[in-house]
Amino acid sequence: AQRVTQPEKLLSVFKGAPVELKCNYSYSGSPELFWYVQYSRQRLQLLLRHISRESIKGFTADLNKGETSFHLKKPFAQEEDSAMYYCALGERGSNYKLTFGKGTLLTVNP
Amino acid sequence: DTAVSQTPKYLVTQMGNDKSIKCEQNLGHDTMYWYKQDSKKFLKIMFSYNNKELIINETVPNRFSPKSPDKAHLNLHINSLELGDSAVYFCASSPRGQDYGYTFGSGTRLTVV
Repeated sequence: AQRVTQPEKLLSVFKGAPVELKCNYSYSGSPELFWYVQYSRQRLQLLLRHISRESIKGFTADLNKGETSFHLKKPFAQEEDSAMYYCALGERGSNYKLTFGKGTLLTVNP
Repeated sequence: DTAVSQTPKYLVTQMGNDKSIKCEQNLGHDTMYWYKQDSKKFLKIMFSYNNKELIINETVPNRFSPKSPDKAHLNLHINSLELGDSAVYFCASSPRGQDYGYTFGSGTRLTVV
């Protein structure tokens, strides 16, 4: 069965510091990975998908199949980055299901 | 012009009541989902419909029944509400295939008292 692990429940950094939110996955097939962000009391929004290899709001994530990881990184955190971040693994096939990790609450302090 | 809209946004009700949450998407997506976010912010899939056909039905009590009258709508009906049903319920939609990810609604915060 597929599984997504976000080892840090809480992560606190200072403004301007680098930030890395960890995500590891377990999946027998070819993974499709995403990062979603949820700002306080707002809907979840798609932040990144590995297939597009893009940078959004300064965040990047690289899929490392050897380490089965998809860590989210930003070189200089901003206060407005404070939010809940979810890593998600998509299951190919007819059942279009995303399995989410338990989320990491990022707090960026001034 | 909201892409995925849920109503109501907040729902407070007593144990034992029956309630419904509605979801509509105007993105032309084929697939819709219901997710439950518990008090620890854990997101878990409940149901998924593809073109009005139920394709995912996770281990959810029978008191929860989804209904999809057309591919743009997916409603969630809950019978005999229990305290443990208190959560935020998110509707989402996606085009056929996973590559584009999901678009989520703003959530319905259900409180059972």
